[in-house]
Amino acid sequence: EVQLVESGGGLVQPGGSLRLSCAASGFTFSSHWMSWVRQAPGKGLEWVANIKQEGSEKDYVDSVKGRFTISRDNAKNSLYLQMNSLRAEDTAVYYCTRGLLNIWGQGTMVTVSS
Amino acid sequence: DVVMTQSPLSLPVTLGQPASISCRSSQSLVYSDGNTYLNWFQQRPGQSPRRLIYKVSNRDSGVPDRFSGSGSGTDFTLQISRVEAEDVGVYYCMQGTRWPYTFGQGTKLEIK
Repeated sequence: EVQLVESGGGLVQPGGSLRLSCAASGFTFSSHWMSWVRQAPGKGLEWVANIKQEGSEKDYVDSVKGRFTISRDNAKNSLYLQMNSLRAEDTAVYYCTRGLLNIWGQGTMVTVSS
Repeated sequence: DVVMTQSPLSLPVTLGQPASISCRSSQSLVYSDGNTYLNWFQQRPGQSPRRLIYKVSNRDSGVPDRFSGSGSGTDFTLQISRVEAEDVGVYYCMQGTRWPYTFGQGTKLEIK
């Protein structure tokens, strides 16, 4: 079964850091672009970042550039999102997704609050 | 950034009746390879989003054939031929042609 399982969310103070992880299974992880998409409480969807198969290309939405870093470990079938200098507006459910969003994880909640 | 505008934002529908959602982009979504990367997603209450349609009109595996997508350039439509109770949720269009990829605001479908 194709599956993506996120972890690492939680409550963090403004200015703090958090690292999200996504464990992939059921498909050849190294063959696919991977992405993070987020959804603020009661709001719509926002594509945050994506990374090419071998990790050579990465793109970020402007609001997270310089603060977030997407990475992957193909040997471990894992995707990561390092989030630094967190702000209240980063509060959201963060979804790990495959390719052009044909597979989604269940999401992990990140809350930035003092 | 490409702005995706959906209408209506709220869609009350009687069971068994058709439904239609419009999505307009601020720029053409035709990519240099000739493809148009316009996708539709369904998010049922309390669930992760699920892709229904990719590249304008291609249904994903397992998606009922009552869902169909159409359009070109900047104007696109998702149609449901006969709404069922399980179709309740929020529907999003999304463009994957120009970075940053962007979503519409979402259309909430409810049963009358």
